[in-house]
Amino acid sequence: GQQVMQIPQYQHVQEGEDFTTYCNSSTTLSNIQWYKQRPGGHPVFLIQLVKSGEVKKQKRLTFQFGEAKKNSSLHITATQTTDVGTYFCAGDGATNKLIFGTGTLLAVQP
Amino acid sequence: SAVISQKPSRDICQRGTSLTIQCQVDSQVTMMFWYRQQPGQSLTLIATANQGSEATYESGFVIDKFPISRPNLTFSTLTVSNMSPEDSSIYLCSVGGQASNYGYTFGSGTRLTVV
Repeated sequence: GQQVMQIPQYQHVQEGEDFTTYCNSSTTLSNIQWYKQRPGGHPVFLIQLVKSGEVKKQKRLTFQFGEAKKNSSLHITATQTTDVGTYFCAGDGATNKLIFGTGTLLAVQP
Repeated sequence: SAVISQKPSRDICQRGTSLTIQCQVDSQVTMMFWYRQQPGQSLTLIATANQGSEATYESGFVIDKFPISRPNLTFSTLTVSNMSPEDSSIYLCSVGGQASNYGYTFGSGTRLTVV
């Protein structure tokens, strides 16, 4: 079945440092979504990428969808303590089911 | 985007018993999804609940263990049956789809502990 892997599993940064998480799917995706889950919370939608090579920005967050539509990345510039949480990519395949990546837990030290 | 009310938010249950989790959506939706999130892990899709038809279960999940009801377009329940400690997890319902610009919306989750 479809698998979506993320690296790293865990990242600890000093506040102000940059952070990147990478997402790789075993199959081609129709689109990729990114979610943030705060500790003790539920996943919250951040963004959806649909086109091959697409790049979208949300303030300090930059999202990229690979040319082959099998990988994606999320880059956070100058992390803040409010960025703490687990970031999940999720592939929405032709079956309209959302398959979540393994997640990257981000810890930010003030 | 839709708003989902999920309950209970948490429960501690005895092994061998069953727990029913409810999700109410503030708008009509075709499909509802049920996920399980084990401690420190990612989300695993249990099943897709369609109104008017039986739920579709993912590999490793069966109807006898996780019966689902979908009586109308705004409501669904998931029952965790004959529970064991291995069922201790967070269970989340979700709505959304490819046509949505708001991604998938999740309920606040049910934190289940089986003792």
